[in-house]
Amino acid sequence: SQKIEQNSEALNIQEGKTATLTCNYTNYSPAYLQWYRQDPGRGPVFLLLIRENEKEKRKERLKVTFDTTLKQSLFHITASQPADSATYLCALEGSGTYKYIFGTGTRLKVLA
Amino acid sequence: DADVTQTPRNRITKTGKRIMLECSQTKGHDRMYWYRQDPGLGLRLIYYSFDVKDINKGEISDGYSVSRQAQAKFSLSLESAIPNQTALYFCATSDLLEVGQFFGPGTRLTVL
Repeated sequence: SQKIEQNSEALNIQEGKTATLTCNYTNYSPAYLQWYRQDPGRGPVFLLLIRENEKEKRKERLKVTFDTTLKQSLFHITASQPADSATYLCALEGSGTYKYIFGTGTRLKVLA
Repeated sequence: DADVTQTPRNRITKTGKRIMLECSQTKGHDRMYWYRQDPGLGLRLIYYSFDVKDINKGEISDGYSVSRQAQAKFSLSLESAIPNQTALYFCATSDLLEVGQFFGPGTRLTVL
């Protein structure tokens, strides 16, 4: 069955460092991969999308990579700040179906 | 005003009761979704609708039903609530893949 894995353990990182979160998937060939941010008690908020034929995408301090051979996406936050503390979710979408499969999320805590 | 609203925000009910969760959106999107979120399990798709006449089951539709009353309104019903339906429920809309999904604030449902 289709499976998405994100590190379930929280990631603690010092302010100013680069945070790297991982999203691995199996039994799926997504056309698009998205990253969302979720704060406690709130709905997820869309951050970035990367297509299967793109290796890397950047937006301000965020960078996403997509390796379809490894079936993995990496999400980087550079110069991390305490305000970046949240849970980050990856989601896969297959070839314009507009159906999404979400990972369980990784909680990031940036320490001042 | 919020683009995607959900009512109620919190609900406590008893086993066997019928309950309806409502979602309204002002974004003008055709695609609407209902998810539930449980600790450790992430977001799971219950039902989705790509227009008023198109409703589809998601990953975990058993025990749930939906109604798409208009483009802007998508309701989720639990015909006979059971305790393992205790969860955080999110409604979402989408338009273009590039801008992701827009989530409501969530409804926290507790079934005793």
